[in-house]
Amino acid sequence: GAVVSQHPSRVICKSGTSVKIECRSLDFQATTMFWYRQFPKQSLMLMATSNEGSKATYEQGVEKDKFLINHASLTLSTLTVTSAHPEDSSFYICSAPRDPNYGYTFGSGTRLTVV
Amino acid sequence: DAKTTQPTSMDCAEGRAANLPCNHSTISGNEYVYWYRQIHSQGPQYIIHGLKNNETNEMASLIITEDRKSSTLILPHATLRDTAVYYCIVGSNYQLIWGAGTKLIIKP
Repeated sequence: GAVVSQHPSRVICKSGTSVKIECRSLDFQATTMFWYRQFPKQSLMLMATSNEGSKATYEQGVEKDKFLINHASLTLSTLTVTSAHPEDSSFYICSAPRDPNYGYTFGSGTRLTVV
Repeated sequence: DAKTTQPTSMDCAEGRAANLPCNHSTISGNEYVYWYRQIHSQGPQYIIHGLKNNETNEMASLIITEDRKSSTLILPHATLRDTAVYYCIVGSNYQLIWGAGTKLIIKP
């Protein structure tokens, strides 16, 4: 149980275009979703926290106008990378808490390559 | 900054127990110790977590020192598929800060 489905797993886009990444909680309600970015050989860096029905909270240094997060329902959160540039190429991962103190379920990640 | 310190890398022979240490000397009273692992180009996988008691599940055992300043993850019979980066994280109320982790390589 407690699966987070993330799509797409890989995407290649041209500079200047936008890419949407979706994360769905399949068998539980995710009132909160965390979005991470991971560059090669580095650890996960929290980008933002989305909450169903309210605005996302962004970490320092993350441009909220560039990384649009929408948490439209209790089972769906999306991250849109707008006007993508090659430096946005990274591995993006979403995560939702299973219950307050039980850990977190992660999506399988999205490998974004901007050319 | 990450609240944990882990070795950068470790090797372990297949079939042997893999013991991964983690220091978390600044852990607060209400913070849990979580262990995750990440196989290349995949999302992290939950392994185990604990507050102050030792824990065991089908994947691993977690040994937490009495002062809670360090812990050890034990994979009892390592297989080649256990090769991954293992992250020790402390946190609570959904606040997790990821360190660099330990790259565990299981050798045949």
